[in-house]
Amino acid sequence: DIQMTQSPSSLSASVGDRVTITCRASQDITNYLAWFQQKPGKAPKSLIYAASSLQSGVPSKFRGSGSGTDFILTISSLQPEDFATYYCQQYYTYPVTFGGGTKVEIK
Amino acid sequence: EVQLVESGGGLVQPGGSLRLSCAASGFTFSDHYMDWVRQAPGKGLEWVGRTGDKANAYTTEYAASVKGRFTIWRDDSKNSLYLQMNSLKIEDTAVYHCARVGSGYGVDFWGQGTVVTVSS
Repeated sequence: DIQMTQSPSSLSASVGDRVTITCRASQDITNYLAWFQQKPGKAPKSLIYAASSLQSGVPSKFRGSGSGTDFILTISSLQPEDFATYYCQQYYTYPVTFGGGTKVEIK
Repeated sequence: EVQLVESGGGLVQPGGSLRLSCAASGFTFSDHYMDWVRQAPGKGLEWVGRTGDKANAYTTEYAASVKGRFTIWRDDSKNSLYLQMNSLKIEDTAVYHCARVGSGYGVDFWGQGTVVTVSS
């Protein structure tokens, strides 16, 4: 199985900050990488697919980059509604696997 | 508006069975692969399995943790997805979400989930 490792597992940031979250795959997944946002008690929300393509309706403040084994989610100008847990997911091969999540908290 | 509404969750004893349903609306259900994803209390997301569409003969794939115990199928005439869970274990306790797979094979929409509790 492909292991997905996210870092950091949590971070504290202020409103207006730029945040980067890293996701590393244990083997090459080309660009079959998605990012999701989840708020407490809510369903996940899809943000990015194919490593860098925004899902419909997702603001351009979210930017995905990378290919192969190393990927980054960047959130520019953090707003109160962006404080949440973020997950990466590879869908290059079965079983589909998720990263452990990165919790973005208010400083 | 795309909607995925799960139902069928509840409390079940270890070794028991439960069937979850996911009612889809607002899109052409038959055109999409569909996933089940679960989240244990306080834990991260775990992929459970996937069903393909008619074009790929409704091929299913499962996580190792549920293979042989869980079965996914769909009824395109009813715009519904199902998850039959047998031989349930305490560690199957989770919120179960159904999710739509987009054209690039990444999930693009999630249901709110239904809670399954396995306990004696």
